[in-house]
Amino acid sequence: KAGVTQTPRYLIKTRGQQVTLSCSPISGHRSVSWYQQTPGQGLQFLFEYFSETQRNKGNFPGRFSGRQFSNSRSEMNVSTLELGDSALYLCASRGSSGSTDTQYFGPGTRLTVL
Amino acid sequence: TQLLEQSPQFLSIQEGENLTVYCNSSSVFSSLQWYRQEPGEGPVLLVTVVTGGEVKKLKRLTFQFGDARKDSSLHITAAQPGDTGLYLCAGPHSGNTPLVFGKGTRLSVIA
Repeated sequence: KAGVTQTPRYLIKTRGQQVTLSCSPISGHRSVSWYQQTPGQGLQFLFEYFSETQRNKGNFPGRFSGRQFSNSRSEMNVSTLELGDSALYLCASRGSSGSTDTQYFGPGTRLTVL
Repeated sequence: TQLLEQSPQFLSIQEGENLTVYCNSSSVFSSLQWYRQEPGEGPVLLVTVVTGGEVKKLKRLTFQFGDARKDSSLHITAAQPGDTGLYLCAGPHSGNTPLVFGKGTRLSVIA
């Protein structure tokens, strides 16, 4: 079974631009969560989607948004990029939205904002 | 305020040594998970502990959940270079909420 895939793996943008990241979950998984990982703050939860509906949202500004499609693929968008948005963005999928279910992480998208 | 505090932040040891890393909280967790993350990859789940006092072993790795379910430890016996990575603990803060993660312990095992 293929794992979680994320595209692109690396991205360089400049301040003020916007970016869209993509995540394809494990086949059959309906829950997709997004995390931001930085050296200073560690892994921080952005949002979770289940069956195209946002189930939970972390404490991030409205510039961060996401969506999930009917095939469970998910995208996240960051508008008006700031230097502090430079981070590894991780996507994780699981079979249901239950918090005890195992999450499987993708390799991440490394975003650098110049 | 970090809900899960991990210590030490960094650890560099020689191959063959033993080590313990810690994950502490002032809050009770229904379960805690341990992940290992290698450079260029996402975290990979190692174990989930759910019962206070529970001990789980995974080859040379021993995981313990505190009796009060507020802390956990990971002990590695005879560390090998392949154990190098970022070790993260995580747990659901309450109910069906998303996982909260500690900032991790970055382990380097030198051959």
